[in-house]
Amino acid sequence: AQRVTQPEKLLSVFKGAPVELKCNYSYSGSPELFWYVQYSRQRLQLLLRHISRESIKGFTADLNKGETSFHLKKPFAQEEDSAMYYCALKPNAGGTSYGKLTFGQGTILTVHP
Amino acid sequence: DADVTQTPRNRITKTGKRIMLECSQTKGHDRMYWYRQDPGLGLRLIYYSFDVKDINKGEISDGYSVSRQAQAKFSLSLESAIPNQTALYFCATSDISGNTIYFGEGSWLTVV
Repeated sequence: AQRVTQPEKLLSVFKGAPVELKCNYSYSGSPELFWYVQYSRQRLQLLLRHISRESIKGFTADLNKGETSFHLKKPFAQEEDSAMYYCALKPNAGGTSYGKLTFGQGTILTVHP
Repeated sequence: DADVTQTPRNRITKTGKRIMLECSQTKGHDRMYWYRQDPGLGLRLIYYSFDVKDINKGEISDGYSVSRQAQAKFSLSLESAIPNQTALYFCATSDISGNTIYFGEGSWLTVV
C-alpha cells in the first residue's frame, strides 16, 4: 500500500523568503506525484504534477526517486501563497488502484508580510 | 465554475440520525469520490465509484454508505451519525486517468 507523509503540519515564512514544503512517499512501483492547494474560502485544486515538469505560480517540485520525495519549492514566497497544501500520490499499478489518489496530511503555509 | 456541487454545505445533526450528503458534477466524468478532511489527518478516501455500476470502499468506509444514482450524482449517507464523524466532507470527480481531480466546496457536518 502507498503512503504519503508531509512532516510539517504548519510552516511560516516571511514574504520574499524561500519556502519548501516537504513530501515523502512510500510506494513499491513508479508513482505519479501531485501537489494540490486549498486557498482560504476556495475549493481544493491541482497546483502541479511531476510529469508536467512545470512551474505554477513560481512553485516547482522535483520527484526524487532515490529519496522518495517530492518537495514543493518557491524561491520567493508571497502573501497570496498562504494556503493548505496537499501532496498526493497516484499509483500506476493498474486494477482498482489506478487513478485513485492517496493524500498526505497537509501543510498549512502562512506567509507573513 | 461549479463543476462539482455539494449539498448541504453545512449541517448540524444529532447522534443516531441519518444524514445524506449529495453531490453532482457537470464534468461528464465517470469517476467520483468522497473524501473526509480532518485536522492533522489530511484527506482520507471514504468511497469511490469508477462508473455507475462500480462502487468501492476506501480507507475509512465504516459507518458510511454511498449511492451512485447516475453518472453525475454520487451521494454519501451516514446511517446513524456519531460525533467522531464530525468533519469536512469533499466530493470529487476525475476522468479515467485520475490526473486531475475536481473537488466540490465541501460540506461541513457536525454531529452533536
